[in-house]
Amino acid sequence: GAVVSQHPSRVICKSGTSVKIECRSLDFQATTMFWYRQFPKQSLMLMATSNEGSKATYEQGVEKDKFLINHASLTLSTLTVTSAHPEDSSFYICSARGAGAGYEQYFGPGTRLTVT
Amino acid sequence: KNEVEQSPQNLTAQEGEFITINCSYSVGISALHWLQQHPGGGIVSLFMLSSGKKKHGRLIATINIQEKHSSLHITASHPRDSAVYICAARRTSGSRLTFGEGTQLTVNP
Repeated sequence: GAVVSQHPSRVICKSGTSVKIECRSLDFQATTMFWYRQFPKQSLMLMATSNEGSKATYEQGVEKDKFLINHASLTLSTLTVTSAHPEDSSFYICSARGAGAGYEQYFGPGTRLTVT
Repeated sequence: KNEVEQSPQNLTAQEGEFITINCSYSVGISALHWLQQHPGGGIVSLFMLSSGKKKHGRLIATINIQEKHSSLHITASHPRDSAVYICAARRTSGSRLTFGEGTQLTVNP
């Protein structure tokens, strides 16, 4: 099946710094990518949806200036957490889908972010 | 009431047992996903269903569109099947997924 990779798998950063998470679709063209956040023992929460070449659509309550999403190509999307704060510590998961209603949505393995 | 509900919330089984996890939804959907999340956090897409039944190895997923219900079955369960299983429905309108709360499965040797 299709594969979505994320890098890094784990990252520790200091408060105030920025960290970038990459999401790649390895064997298909991802016209739509989704970024989720997951707190312990909770389900995935959609942060934003991005279509290649367009600005991301953010969910209510998600700060677009804090969580910068770039989807510049059909195989790569990045999430940059700016001015990281300990409350941003979480598990971030990307997901990618190809064109057309019948295309399955594939999930990346996730990135564990810890802000100290 | 959540739009996507799973049962049971927690399930403990002995190795070799047949396992069923249920998912009910209350909205019109174009597809339903079954996902597996291991303790380390990584999510694996198991199935995407829009009708009928799919099988992959020891895993079987079924969906009944009229009854708005899907099931995930695991035959000959093994301790490595221990994980959280999540169903997620994609509405007919829009592209977002609505997630169930997940079922924590523990298979004891």
